[in-house]
Amino acid sequence: ILNVEQSPQSLHVQEGDSTNFTCSFPSSNFYALHWYRWETAKSPEALFVMTLNGDEKKKGRISATLNTKEGYSYLYIKGSQPEDSATYLCAHHTGKLIFGQGTTLQVKP
Amino acid sequence: DTEVTQTPKHLVMGMTNKKSLKCEQHMGHRAMYWYKQKAKKPPELMFVYSYEKLSINESVPSRFSPECPNSSLLNLHLHALQPEDSALYLCASSQNTQGGYGYTFGSGTRLTVV
Repeated sequence: ILNVEQSPQSLHVQEGDSTNFTCSFPSSNFYALHWYRWETAKSPEALFVMTLNGDEKKKGRISATLNTKEGYSYLYIKGSQPEDSATYLCAHHTGKLIFGQGTTLQVKP
Repeated sequence: DTEVTQTPKHLVMGMTNKKSLKCEQHMGHRAMYWYKQKAKKPPELMFVYSYEKLSINESVPSRFSPECPNSSLLNLHLHALQPEDSALYLCASSQNTQGGYGYTFGSGTRLTVV
């Protein structure tokens, strides 16, 4: 993997569903992996910064894991709510922060 | 103050105009960044300033000229832009450039070049 890749590109779920997204990144030369949440007409907001292999971070219903050896991170949302609707961006830091294309989540009431 | 403030929010400029985008933060962050984002694409790094010195220029055309007059302020001077430069320009700051801290982003300047 040469770039930061996120999947799926978009996701539509019902309120109460749990969901997860994947971020893949080059496993060499790793400094940090960031996750951001970007709501329409707002600023991207930092969710997690992870630096160690095996890191797991949690913020309310949202959690993330990191595997630096194989170059992937997962973001999980438990019991999605309409206010979780946003684009979720991951970014790989190797001296500079490079973003993936994001996963756009739409949660229907 | 935990915000990055960008002005203006919207800008329409002609190809012969000179304009500037402004970004301000008062969090004591020593790293500041300019990103460009086009529709359906990820934010793309343009410039990195560390302790008020330009540390990364991602081969950005010279019609974009960054300036960091002090630790709280970052400008992006625009001159002779092309229509393809129309995009959302995002400013961000962080404690340092080491990657261990999250970035705080402004809400961006939506630029249209006509």
